[in-house]
Amino acid sequence: NAGVTQTPKFQVLKTGQSMTLQCAQDMNHEYMSWYRQDPGMGLRLIHYSVGAGITDQGEVPNGYNVSRSTTEDFPLRLLSAAPSQTSVYFCASSLAESSYNEQFFGPGTRLTVL
Amino acid sequence: QKEVEQDPGPLSVPEGAIVSLNCTYSNSAFQYFMWYRQYSRKGPELLMYTYSSGNKEDGRFTAQVDKSSKYISLFIRDSQPSDSATYLCAPWGAMDSNYQLIWGAGTKLIIKP
Repeated sequence: NAGVTQTPKFQVLKTGQSMTLQCAQDMNHEYMSWYRQDPGMGLRLIHYSVGAGITDQGEVPNGYNVSRSTTEDFPLRLLSAAPSQTSVYFCASSLAESSYNEQFFGPGTRLTVL
Repeated sequence: QKEVEQDPGPLSVPEGAIVSLNCTYSNSAFQYFMWYRQYSRKGPELLMYTYSSGNKEDGRFTAQVDKSSKYISLFIRDSQPSDSATYLCAPWGAMDSNYQLIWGAGTKLIIKP
């Protein structure tokens, strides 16, 4: 099992550009989520999904879109990149909706917006 | 006030020392208390968790929760250089009519050989 995979590992964007961060898991997990991690801030939840076709907003959803057409994939779209979106982005998955279940994280995408 | 407070460190100790990492939280509805470990430039991974108050031991690691004082601790015995990482506490429970996992900012731990 590959677990949770994320692409790309690194990305540099200019202000106003759009892009999609890819996330895939091969563990048949229903629950998937996207976090951003900034120094001194901990992990902040952007969006999450409890199953294919169902998504919801987390703590910091503005400027990001998600969709979940399959159990395996959960891409995160940046609509119009801003310097404030410079961060490390982690995708995570877990077996069930209850987030006390162990969350498995991908290796992260380091994004810089100039 | 943040829901979960955690000293960011870094905390630097010599190899073999006992390490104490701590968090405080404000929401008395939290039921599960997770500790995740994050190595540099990697994603976090679950280290251990406890339910409600009490202690839980796993090898050199002991997690402790005191719900009366809203205090969470992780103790590492016989610390090794391979324990150098950032440790994130993450309580889980009911908040704003939802169940949520709330993350501390993490404490960076450095074990010196």
